Amino acid sequence: ETGVTQTPRHLVMGMTNKKSLKCEQHLGHNAMYWYKQSAKKPLELMFVYSLEERVENNSVPSRFSPECPNSSHLFLHLHTLQPEDSALYLCASSQVTAGSYNEQFFGPGTRLTVL
Amino acid sequence: GQNIDQPTEMTATEGAIVQINCTYQTSGFNGLFWYQQHAGEAPTFLSYNVLDGLEEKGRFSSFLSRSKGYSYLLLKELQMKDSASYLCAVLDSNYQLIWGAGTKLIIKP
Repeated sequence: ETGVTQTPRHLVMGMTNKKSLKCEQHLGHNAMYWYKQSAKKPLELMFVYSLEERVENNSVPSRFSPECPNSSHLFLHLHTLQPEDSALYLCASSQVTAGSYNEQFFGPGTRLTVL
Repeated sequence: GQNIDQPTEMTATEGAIVQINCTYQTSGFNGLFWYQQHAGEAPTFLSYNVLDGLEEKGRFSSFLSRSKGYSYLLLKELQMKDSASYLCAVLDSNYQLIWGAGTKLIIKP
């Protein structure tokens, strides 16, 4: 595997289900991100793990819970979601060094539908 | 608040040139990115500008004017495979990426 991979690619779930999205990066980067992409809206940054520390995003509902066990893996745990949470969930990674910034590399996304 | 504006949709003809504009108002500036995203696929990096001027990379060029809060992406010799969404994103003073909603480019034969 190369780049950033995400599983599953498609997920349909009911509002009472619990599921997890998985992301893995094979680029040796030290930062990973979860984004939500809705039609005709800007990418919404949900969570950032940089140097394995989580940067909080207070606007994300608690029904989304991230987990980053190591610098290569990132999970997004989902529970009691709402239909408006239906969207494309993108994972990205980048190499962060003090005072500089490198481009983010994205995975193909998980298309989530909440019924 | 922070804001990135770009047109929602543009149409161009195969072989022609198209310019996609992006204007921004952000708290600080540490660079501007352009990404390409084909339908159902991941965004992929196209260019990064941090200084004023034009950066050329093959058929694609990106221009930045920091004093005007303005950038454009220029695509030359358009091909059908250039049909995609083009995302503008600005790195603010906290090194957070602020994204535009994207411009959907439709290429017609």
